[in-house]
Amino acid sequence: AQSVTQLDSQVPVFEEAPVELRCNYSSSVSVYLFWYVQYPNQGLQLLLKYLSGSTLVKGINGFEAEFNKSQTSFHLRKPSVHISDTAEYFCAVSAYTGGFKTIFGAGTRLFVKA
Amino acid sequence: EAGVAQSPRYKIIEKRQSVAFWCNPISGHATLYWYQQILGQGPKLLIQFQNNGVVDDSQLPKDRFSAERLKGVDSTLKIQPAKLEDSAVYLCASSNYRERSNEQFFGPGTRLTVL
Repeated sequence: AQSVTQLDSQVPVFEEAPVELRCNYSSSVSVYLFWYVQYPNQGLQLLLKYLSGSTLVKGINGFEAEFNKSQTSFHLRKPSVHISDTAEYFCAVSAYTGGFKTIFGAGTRLFVKA
Repeated sequence: EAGVAQSPRYKIIEKRQSVAFWCNPISGHATLYWYQQILGQGPKLLIQFQNNGVVDDSQLPKDRFSAERLKGVDSTLKIQPAKLEDSAVYLCASSNYRERSNEQFFGPGTRLTVL
């Protein structure tokens, strides 16, 4: 079975500052990793995904994430945030064990201040 | 390409009443998921369908929740009778099982309030 831990429940940051949202996972098999964003009163939207290959993954809206197998981490970063990035961010891990199973973290609320 | 559609968007009911939610996945997506998202938490899988068959319903409270996907396309999730703790957003998602990553596409959700 796999699990996902998002280390910060809330991250306040000033506009134009860099941000990192942390995600750690555990799994006994190879995994696919995702970051989703959820704006108020909306469903989840995919930001980026890691399947294989390069450990640095670039996504939409200027976000990127780095897969670190030794530390079992998949942290999300953005060099300069905007007010519009205020939202809930979810890390998810998907593994195939006879069928795909996806587990979501509890979420990190990013709050960008002017 | 049309996204995942859900209705209604909002529903308020009293405890012990019944409620049903509808989901239409992306065309061609054989896999459909229903998630429960309680305020401040991540989505929790309730049930997963592959075409019209159930793949995983291990976390579905079967004494009160039921779901069906009769023709392998749209799906209905029902709660009968509702409890206060069922207040949550119910998300529907779909995926193309041929795509190896199992990327899921989400609908806007139905916000249920049980009074």
